[in-house]
Order: sequence, then structure tokens, then C-alpha cells
Amino acid sequence: RKEVEQDPGPFNVPEGATVAFNCTYSNSASQSFFWYRQDCRKEPKLLMSVYSSGNEDGRFTAQLNRASQYISLLIRDSKLSDSATYLCVVNSRGGGNKLTFGTGTQLKVEL
Amino acid sequence: GAVVSQHPSRVICKSGTSVKIECRSLDFQATTMFWYRQFPKQSLMLMATSNEGSKATYEQGVEKDKFLINHASLTLSTLTVTSAHPEDSSFYICSASWDNEQYFGPGTRLTVT
Repeated sequence: RKEVEQDPGPFNVPEGATVAFNCTYSNSASQSFFWYRQDCRKEPKLLMSVYSSGNEDGRFTAQLNRASQYISLLIRDSKLSDSATYLCVVNSRGGGNKLTFGTGTQLKVEL
Repeated sequence: GAVVSQHPSRVICKSGTSVKIECRSLDFQATTMFWYRQFPKQSLMLMATSNEGSKATYEQGVEKDKFLINHASLTLSTLTVTSAHPEDSSFYICSASWDNEQYFGPGTRLTVT
């Protein structure tokens, strides 16, 4: 079983739609959780950290359920520029800042 | 935010040759840098953790004699792919830790012919 699992997609949605991505992780000792965005042939860029209480940044809302080992990302009012691959990332090595990446979920926002 | 650069951005080499990739933290000092590899449609896989002034720590399955890592200063880590083969063709990305966050370089696309 992969340490971090995501639906690879692609998710094709119209502009303005709300879209949700899910992620599960296998290591219950994982401590930190993130969503990264990766554009084609580019490096990943941090979108937001994910906190147990849930957090929001503009149109983006992230949720963490430690009991279910489940992370989600909700994008509201999606824009064409949101088209990218969204990576669920977990720090599961108990320090040392090592990150484990999911394979990513591809989002295509269309007119 | 902190900036990390990589050089070269793209390299094509012949099978059997060696290729060196540089990773630099431009505006901060990084005692720890990480090297990842990403094959098409796959996730980033951590190859090794590069520690300034000491030997790198390699992940399981990564050959330390094939992927030589040197972290001689607080702003520079290098990855040398020795005796490259076509299956080493991939996107190599480094990152550097600063203030509990990782900053990624723009990546190096290696093609071995």
C-alpha cells in the first residue's frame, strides 16, 4: 500500500465549479500535512498546510481527519488558472523534514 | 520566500557518461537539502537527504555509488549521476529546508540517450 494515496483524476470541471480532492495516508504517526500544486514540467509549490481544525485560504479549504487518516482540499469558484496537479504531502518520518508525496490529482478547469 | 536554484535546467547526455546537477540556496543557508526524482505521471520520490559537512543519507533502493551527493557548503549541494543509463532519464528536483519549510528548486530534466 502506498504511504499517500490520491485519485489521479483527471478532474475536468467548468469554470466556477467547486471541486474536492481526497487523500489518505497510511502512517498514523504522520505529523504534518500539506497540499502542493505542480504545474506541468515545473517544481511543486506549497499551496497550504493542513491543520487538524481545518483551514481556509481564499477559495481553498483544507481539512484533516486524523482518526480516518484522511485529508481533503476543496476549491470553490474554480478558475482556469487553477488547472494543475495537486499533490497531497505528508511528513511521516517524525522529524528531519522528510516529505512523502502522493501521485497527485490532475485538475483541468475549462470554459 | 526563500529561493532555490538548480543548474542545469535541462541536460541530454550519452549513456555511460556522468552528469552533475547543482542545487543552490540563494538567500539562506541550508544545512539540509533533499534530492527527489519524478518519473512521468508518478509522484516525487525522495532519493537522499544531503547534510552539510557529512555523508548523505540514501533512501532504500537508491544506489549511493551511482548517485553521488556532495554538500560541501551551506548553500550548495550537488548530485552526480554516474554512468548514466536511459532508465535514469527523469526530472530531478532538489529542495532546501529553512524555517521548517521546504523550498524546491525548479528541477533538472535529464535525458540519457
